[in-house]
Amino acid sequence: EAGVAQSPRYKIIEKRQSVAFWCNPISGHATLYWYQQILGQGPKLLIQFQNNGVVDDSQLPKDRFSAERLKGVDSTLKIQPAKLEDSAVYLCASTHWDREETQYFGPGTRLLVL
Amino acid sequence: GQSLEQPSEVTAVEGAIVQINCTYQTSGFYGLSWYQQHDGGAPTFLSYNGLDGLEETGRFSSFLSRSDSYGYLLLQELQMKDSASYFCAVRDKSGGYQKVTFGIGTKLQVIP
Repeated sequence: EAGVAQSPRYKIIEKRQSVAFWCNPISGHATLYWYQQILGQGPKLLIQFQNNGVVDDSQLPKDRFSAERLKGVDSTLKIQPAKLEDSAVYLCASTHWDREETQYFGPGTRLLVL
Repeated sequence: GQSLEQPSEVTAVEGAIVQINCTYQTSGFYGLSWYQQHDGGAPTFLSYNGLDGLEETGRFSSFLSRSDSYGYLLLQELQMKDSASYFCAVRDKSGGYQKVTFGIGTKLQVIP
């Protein structure tokens, strides 16, 4: 079965610009996660979707970050405007309802904000 | 909130055994997971403990003691390819859904 897909793989932008990341989870996986991973740290959950509904966005900086999963399948994470400290890898993961303990991660998007 | 502690770095010799510890504090504890991440790669699921005891998967084993809020990952017959970061992740359940919090990761270096 195909894994979690993410695009783009790399992005370089200047501060105050906007950027969007796309994720397509494994087919049939109801739960989708967006993580931010800063170099040398563990993944930090930004937002968790159950189908097309948000179940946790407590750590999402809502003044600049937004995410949607309109049809309960693929998802988009947007940053507007970007700051230098947003430089990180943005990871998308998904889980099957029957195996919530096993998260499957995509390859991530490496963002560099200059 | 949740907090996890694990060593930041560990060095071990090829062929040896290494144990990576993880202590946690959380309410509504559900289970402890372990993930491996090579430099530049994505985290990969290794193991999950929902109950006390040892789970074995090939050369990797994971242990959990809920009463001590403690777990560990045991890697046997170390190989050079095991050099990576290892994250423990606490799964807890509150508000009707499961939430996962990752530790900072332990960077394992396997030397010849």
